Amino acid sequence: GEDVEQSLFLSVREGDSSVINCTYTDSSSTYLYWYKQEPGAGLQLLTYIFSNMDMKQDQRLTVLLNKKDKHLSLRIADTQTGDSAIYFCAEKEGNTGKLIFGQGTTLQVKP
Amino acid sequence: GAGVSQSPSNKVTEKGKDVELRCDPISGHTALYWYRQRLGQGLEFLIYFQGNSAPDKSGLPSDRFSAERTGESVSTLTIQRTQQEDSAVYLCASSLARDMGDNYGYTFGSGTRLTVV
Repeated sequence: GEDVEQSLFLSVREGDSSVINCTYTDSSSTYLYWYKQEPGAGLQLLTYIFSNMDMKQDQRLTVLLNKKDKHLSLRIADTQTGDSAIYFCAEKEGNTGKLIFGQGTTLQVKP
Repeated sequence: GAGVSQSPSNKVTEKGKDVELRCDPISGHTALYWYRQRLGQGLEFLIYFQGNSAPDKSGLPSDRFSAERTGESVSTLTIQRTQQEDSAVYLCASSLARDMGDNYGYTFGSGTRLTVV
């Protein structure tokens, strides 16, 4: 089946930029997503990008997509302690429409 | 309702017992998904309902797992003869998407934390 891979942990200082990376395998993916999960909570959709775009910016969030390398990244500018959470990358499988999730990257923001 | 509601929020059960988990999707959402999240791991797809179509059960890990949904309403996930490896958070999500080309995000519930002792 299709696979989505992420690094497991990232630690940054408050005010720095965070970059969370993700790779995926389905070349027919239509959309790619970033979700945020705070402790004890469900997943919250942060942003998404259509597969024919290479960049999307939404306030402090910038998504970069390299379709050739099947690489997706999420940059959070001016990272705050409230950004501490687990960030999941997900691809929408082209042939089924299901979301396939990575294992999540835990972002730790130090004051 | 305003969001996806799951119940119970926590369930502790003895090994070998059956459990039933409930998901109330957002009104009008035709698509409903169940995922499993083991401790420290990503989300594992279990089953997908889309309107009145036959569900996609390809992610169910064994025949002890089953799920039902009537129309576009509540869904129940049943685990029979629970095992310790079934311990996880079970997440439900719903979406307006009517086909694979739609880009409507999934709205997730807060999950049911199942502990099998």
